[in-house]
Amino acid sequence: ELKVEQNPLFLSMQEGKNYTIYCNYSTTSDRLYWYRQDPGKSLESLFVLLSNGAVKQEGRLMASLDTKARLSTLHITAAVHDLSATYFCAVERETSGSRLTFGEGTQLTVNP
Amino acid sequence: NAGVTQTPKFRVLKTGQSMTLLCAQDMNHEYMYWYRQDPGMGLRLIHYSVGEGTTAKGEVPDGYNVSRLKKQNFLLGLESAAPSQTSVYFCASRRTAIYEQYFGPGTRLTVT
Repeated sequence: ELKVEQNPLFLSMQEGKNYTIYCNYSTTSDRLYWYRQDPGKSLESLFVLLSNGAVKQEGRLMASLDTKARLSTLHITAAVHDLSATYFCAVERETSGSRLTFGEGTQLTVNP
Repeated sequence: NAGVTQTPKFRVLKTGQSMTLLCAQDMNHEYMYWYRQDPGMGLRLIHYSVGEGTTAKGEVPDGYNVSRLKKQNFLLGLESAAPSQTSVYFCASRRTAIYEQYFGPGTRLTVT
């Protein structure tokens, strides 16, 4: 059974600081996704990581994938208040209808 | 192009009542999914469909049924609602070989 674990689950940080969210998964998978969710809203797609060594960046967020370690990271650079949200990683397996298995989510709060 | 829509947005049911949630997409996507999201947890897959007339069970299918009679619609039914089914339900869809799931706005269901 595929398990996806994120840590930390809660993260409170100051504006201007850097931090990393980790996503570990238990079995070989095809792709890894990162989503953002604001309170009461739906999920917004941030990144899709397709292969080992993939790195994607958008603004202050950068995601990477190490398939050998079964690990993805979401790095936040010089955090700003607007980044406050819950971030989810999700792993996809094509053999199962391309279904996604989600981590528990990391609730990020950026304080002024 | 409305993307993925869900009906209704909110609903309160009494234990034992039944209801159907409708998910509609106008993007001609082959795959459709129903997830539930509970506090402090990531999304969990209930059922999914890889094409018109096909459905399959996800991680947490008990107490739910689904149908996909038309390609654009995916229905989620609760035959006899229970308080444990209080949750936010999200529908998603994607195209074959396009690596992104598009999520609907969610349906907030409370069972008393």
